[in-house]
Amino acid sequence: DTAVSQTPKYLVTQMGNDKSIKCEQNLGHDTMYWYKQDSKKFLKIMFSYNNKELIINETVPNRFSPKSPDKAHLNLHINSLELGDSAVYFCASSQVGQGAEEQYFGPGTRLTVT
Amino acid sequence: KQEVTQIPAALSVPEGENLVLNCSFTDSAIYNLQWFRQDPGKGLTSLLLIQSSQREQTSGRLNASLDKSSGRSTLYIAASQPGDSATYLCAVNFGNEKLTFGTGTRLTIIP
Repeated sequence: DTAVSQTPKYLVTQMGNDKSIKCEQNLGHDTMYWYKQDSKKFLKIMFSYNNKELIINETVPNRFSPKSPDKAHLNLHINSLELGDSAVYFCASSQVGQGAEEQYFGPGTRLTVT
Repeated sequence: KQEVTQIPAALSVPEGENLVLNCSFTDSAIYNLQWFRQDPGKGLTSLLLIQSSQREQTSGRLNASLDKSSGRSTLYIAASQPGDSATYLCAVNFGNEKLTFGTGTRLTIIP
């Protein structure tokens, strides 16, 4: 049973389009995250949500808009896609305040903007 | 600025040898530290989590240590196998509810 799942796995689109990536976790965690892994394989936090509330926004362009309909889902919508948005986007979840706070990652969504 | 560094960027080791991967961080006031494994084109697999109050954690052939005062963590892999070939990532939670990642060490085990 997949703990953190993302769809789609691959996304190829043209500049200027709008696209969404979905994330779901079945671990009962209350905190979810989006990370971006660039072409040099460096991973960096973009957003985090705790119980549907935005906690972290790491100076990401406002073309990126996360949405959390409930605490098991965190979707990422991207407007007016640019070439530089090409990357692998990872969703993660954790249970903050329970001591361990281990983060569990999804399989990633490889976005290619042409 | 809170940063995480992993050196070397790549490491090749003959099968069967023991090896150590290094991670250093700039702020000793950490909350926890996580070691991950990433296979090419795949997601991240959590290997070990060390809390701020712990000195080490073990899982099978893996042992991770933490020395906050010197800002260092090591991942020890015993009796390496070709299946251990992957990129190993160190990530630190500096108490701000996010992980700050190192750039990773790409490990190749030579059969």
